[in-house]
Amino acid sequence: KNEVEQSPQNLTAQEGEFITINCSYSVGISALHWLQQHPGGGIVSLFMLSSGKKKHGRLIATINIQEKHSSLHITASHPRDSAVYICAVFSTARNKLVFGAGTILRVKS
Amino acid sequence: EAGVAQSPRYKIIEKRQSVAFWCNPISGHATLYWYQQILGQGPKLLIQFQNNGVVDDSQLPKDRFSAERLKGVDSTLKIQPAKLEDSAVYLCASSRDSNYGYTFGSGTRLTVV
Repeated sequence: KNEVEQSPQNLTAQEGEFITINCSYSVGISALHWLQQHPGGGIVSLFMLSSGKKKHGRLIATINIQEKHSSLHITASHPRDSAVYICAVFSTARNKLVFGAGTILRVKS
Repeated sequence: EAGVAQSPRYKIIEKRQSVAFWCNPISGHATLYWYQQILGQGPKLLIQFQNNGVVDDSQLPKDRFSAERLKGVDSTLKIQPAKLEDSAVYLCASSRDSNYGYTFGSGTRLTVV
């Protein structure tokens, strides 16, 4: 079993829909990152969380440390949100980032 | 602040050839990472530098991969000789230290034919 599991693996949404991507992890962490990767390959850091909730524009990220679970929400989705969204945790035991496999999001107009 | 710069953006080489990638991290970021991302998978850490010293290179295939970070700033990653399975995106990232946010570069997409 992977230490970081994301769901769903693939997601297709209609423009304007509310989107949720989930991340569960099984290791002790000091922080959780949500990353966005566009087809060209480069990665953009969206959020770094260690507790609670963060909001940036239409993006909201939450984390529940006790349940070892985080969610990334996109409100009023738009085709430009189409990308791969990656959850990564900083494992305290391994002292490095451990990545999920990513969620491929496609938003249709 | 300027982002993490990587070059080249794309590279196509034949197997058994050599290739080098370059990374310029954000100024003041002591920690630099090289990741390999194979299509459909999450990034895998190849090597982590703290200033110009190696912190973790446990997943670096040292028979063919090498990396250096001279003067604790720019870094190069080299593959010699390349194999077909080295086809991947090579990402460079930097951070002030591992407890801070990471900034990733645009990546180098390597195709070995």
